[in-house]
Amino acid sequence: DAGVIQSPRHEVTEMGQEVTLRCKPISGHDYLFWYRQTMMRGLELLIYFNNNVPIDDSGMPEDRFSAKMPNASFSTLKIQPSEPRDSAVYFCASSSPGQGAHTEAFFGQGTRLTVV
Amino acid sequence: AQSVSQHNHHVILSEAASLELGCNYSYGGTVNLFWYVQYPGQHLQLLLKYFSGDPLVKGIKGFEAEFIKSKFSFNLRKPSVQWSDTAEYFCAVNAGDDMRFGAGTRLTVKP
Repeated sequence: DAGVIQSPRHEVTEMGQEVTLRCKPISGHDYLFWYRQTMMRGLELLIYFNNNVPIDDSGMPEDRFSAKMPNASFSTLKIQPSEPRDSAVYFCASSSPGQGAHTEAFFGQGTRLTVV
Repeated sequence: AQSVSQHNHHVILSEAASLELGCNYSYGGTVNLFWYVQYPGQHLQLLLKYFSGDPLVKGIKGFEAEFIKSKFSFNLRKPSVQWSDTAEYFCAVNAGDDMRFGAGTRLTVKP
């Protein structure tokens, strides 16, 4: 398996534009997580899905952020409209429970978003 | 939801020094604990994990961590660091469905 695949790796956009980040989890993993990493806040959990269903989106900063998982192999994180303070590295991770617990979260390479 | 605290934001050590990075969590139930490492420009990778059994867990690259339930802690240690250990280290806690991470500790090892 190629691991968790995120695209694009880098995104530079102007303030006010819509940004869509994409993630393909590891096949067979039924949990998918979106994290945001900044110098100020470290690694923040934004939202996670189980079997394509959003379970906890309390980490989503505001209504400008939305995430979907239309099927088991694809998820998107959308920011509309984008703002400079959204600049960060966005990581997607997937995992699969073993013995009732997460064995490990596998991370993608991340998308570095810069909003100017 | 549970929270994870890493008290050291940036640690600077010389090669061969010993390392201990603190991690505390707030959840009172059964937890699974992890340490991840992020080398410069790379994604997070698993260093070690604890589910049950021996509270002293050994991971890759000479790292180990000790789970102390009474202190809600899972500190990471390495007896002798190397320059190549320069990275950011994240403690993570899994209880139930989600995985929460600490803010991370940046380790700089001077040659």
